Parts: sequence; C-alpha cells; structure tokens
Amino acid sequence: SQKIEQNSEALNIQEGKTATLTCNYTNYSPAYLQWYRQDPGRGPVFLLLIRENEKEKRKERLKVTFDTTLKQSLFHITASQPADSATYLCAPNTGGFKTIFGAGTRLFVKA
Amino acid sequence: DTGVSQDPRHKITKRGQNVTFRCDPISEHNRLYWYRQTLGQGPEFLTYFQNEAQLEKSRLLSDRFSAERPKGSFSTLEIQRTEQGDSAMYLCASSPVLTGGSNEQFFGPGTRLTVL
Repeated sequence: SQKIEQNSEALNIQEGKTATLTCNYTNYSPAYLQWYRQDPGRGPVFLLLIRENEKEKRKERLKVTFDTTLKQSLFHITASQPADSATYLCAPNTGGFKTIFGAGTRLFVKA
Repeated sequence: DTGVSQDPRHKITKRGQNVTFRCDPISEHNRLYWYRQTLGQGPEFLTYFQNEAQLEKSRLLSDRFSAERPKGSFSTLEIQRTEQGDSAMYLCASSPVLTGGSNEQFFGPGTRLTVL
C-alpha cells in the first residue's frame, strides 16, 4: 500500500541555521509533491509544489528537492527564525484528487 | 471572500448523538475536500466533491459518515451515532481547477469534535 514517512521526532535547531526535513514515499510514483505548514489548532497552509520533472524549487527562504529515484523529497528552510516553528506536512500526489498527507515533522527554532 | 470557513469551530456531543458540520469554500473554487485529523497525525482524506458531485470517498469511512454539497457551494458533513473514536479535528479544504493538474488546497480552521 502507499506509504509516506516523515521524521517522526521533532527537529530542534538554533535560529539562523538551516532546517532540513525529509519525506520518503513508497509504492507509488507521484507526478508532484506538495509541502504544507500547520500551526497548532489551525488548518494546513500550502507552501510549495514540485513536479516530477523538477529537481529543485525555491521560494524565498524555502527550498524543496524531489528525487524520484530515491523516492524522497527534502524541504529546507534557510536562515530559520522562531516564527518558522510549526509542523510541516508533505503530500505526494496519488494520481487522483485524493490527497494523502504524511504525519508531519514538528520543527522548533530556538532564538 | 477571505478564505474557507467552517462552523462550528468546536462541538462537544454525547456518544450516540448525530452531529453536522458546515464548510463554506472560497467562492470560485469548485473542488471541496473533507479530512479528519487526530493528534500527531496528518490530515486523513474522507471525501472529495467537484461541484455538487461526490467523486471520491475513503474506503475507511464508515456508513455513519455522509457528506453533501448541494448546488456546488457549501458542504455539510454529518456523523450519525457518534462514537468516542470520532473525536478529532474535521478539516475542510477547497481548490480551484487549474491547468497543469496541481492540487493546491486552501484549508479552513477546522471543527474540533469531542465525543463524551
């Protein structure tokens, strides 16, 4: 069955450092992959989408890579700030409109 | 229109009661999704509408759950004979039809259900 794995443990980093979050998927080949941010008690907010023919995508301090051979996406936040503290969810496309989300990785950025 | 809205934001009910939640999507979005999320997990897909047609429904969804989207605007999610295991955050999302097939979704704030 289709499976998505994200770092289950929280990631703690110092302000100004680069945070790197991992998303691995098995048993399917998504045409694209999305990343969302979720703050406690709120709905997820879309951040970035990367397609299978794109190796890397950037938006301000965010960078996403997509390796279809490794079946992995990496999500980087450079020059991290305490305001970046949140849970980050990846969602590889399943081929239809049903979206499957990973469990998310909780990021804490210390000042 | 400022975004997706959901009502109520919180609902406490007793086991066995029926509950209904409402979602108002962004007005020009014709795709609407319902998800359930429990603590420490990502949103779990429940069902999807394109306009008024319910095109996909999770096989995990029991018959106690039903959703409607009359006239392709707002949607309701009803849970009959609630169980304690139904306690969760229920999220609604909408998206426009875009060329290229991407599926960026705009989420509402959610309805937190507690079943006692």
